[in-house]
Parts: sequence; C-alpha cells; structure tokens
Amino acid sequence: GQQVMQIPQYQHVQEGEDFTTYCNSSTTLSNIQWYKQRPGGHPVFLIQLVKSGEVKKQKRLTFQFGEAKKNSSLHITATQTTDVGTYFCAGLRGGKLIFGQGTELSVKP
Amino acid sequence: DGGITQSPKYLFRKEGQNVTLSCEQNLNHDAMYWYRQDPGQGLRLIYYSQIVNDFQKGDIAEGYSVSREKKESFPLTVTSAQKNPTAFYLCASTPDRVDTQYFGPGTRLTVL
Repeated sequence: GQQVMQIPQYQHVQEGEDFTTYCNSSTTLSNIQWYKQRPGGHPVFLIQLVKSGEVKKQKRLTFQFGEAKKNSSLHITATQTTDVGTYFCAGLRGGKLIFGQGTELSVKP
Repeated sequence: DGGITQSPKYLFRKEGQNVTLSCEQNLNHDAMYWYRQDPGQGLRLIYYSQIVNDFQKGDIAEGYSVSREKKESFPLTVTSAQKNPTAFYLCASTPDRVDTQYFGPGTRLTVL
C-alpha cells in the first residue's frame, strides 16, 4: 500500500548532540510536511517543502526535500530538552496526506 | 479564540457499546479528518470530509461511522464492530485538502 517510511523509530541523545530523522517514499511526493507532537499532546505543523532539493531552516532545525521528491530529512543541531517529542513527516501523494510512523526523540540533560 | 476542540479528553467504555467522539472547529475550514494513533504506527486516516453532507472512507474505516451535517462539526462514532477501539483519536481540519492540517487535542478512548 501507500507508505511513507520514517527512521529511526526512536532516538536518545545527550543534550547538545545533533539529531536527524529521515523520511522515504517509494513514489514521488507533491510536497512533504513535518509535524511535532510533544508527549501527551497533538501534532503541530512545523513546515512544508514543495520544491525539488528545497532546504528550509527554522533556528536549529534544518529541513530538506530530496531532488527526486521521494525523501526528506529533519536535522536538529545541538538538541535541547525542549526538543523532546515525536517528529512526523507527511507526504502528499494523489491529494492524500500520508504520515510516516514518526521518530520519538528523547534528550538527556 | 479560533481552533479545534475535541471532547472528552479521556473516554472509557465497555466492550460492545457504541461511542461518539466530538470534533468542532471555528476556523471556517472546509475539510475535516479523523485519525487514529497507536504507539509506533503514526497516524492512520479513518474518514475525511471535504464539504458538508459528504465524507469519504480513509484507510481504516471499518467499524467507524461519521456525519457532516454542519461545517463546524464532524463527529466520529466508534461502533461495536471495531475490533480494537482502544486508541488515541485525533481530529484535524484544513482550509483546503492540500494545505497543512490543524489538529485538535485528541480523545484517548479506552474500551474495557
């Protein structure tokens, strides 16, 4: 079926270390969106990438969309305890938004 | 204060009972969605509605039903036919089906 694969499922880091989560689709995506869900909370939209090879930054967060529009990554530089949560990618394909399984990030102070 | 509200936050039901989860939005969004979230499985689409009085099945619609009689409201009924109803249910809306999704706070349903 239609799937967007996201790895890793879990990531534990020491505060100050970097973190990256990857999102892969077997078919081309119209766009990719990233969401963050804090523990006990609901997903909150972070950013949307539309163009092939697009790179966007939000403070310590860097988002990339692959040249073939089949993969994406989210990189956090120098993690902080406030970065804790689950990060989801969601790819738009055929007018339908398909969510990855999410990467749960824990940060040890 | 605009947004999406879901009630209740926690819901307990006995096995075999139908239960309806509420979702209301005052964002004037056209499309609304229901997702189910289980640990390690991300968000799976149950039903969605792009306009009033119309809705479509998502990937896991079996055992669920919805209605869209008003633009602001999109209630989800979890029927007794749903084999594993215990989960976290999220409602979302968007002004256009291809735009970003605004999520409600969710309802955690536990069936005993």
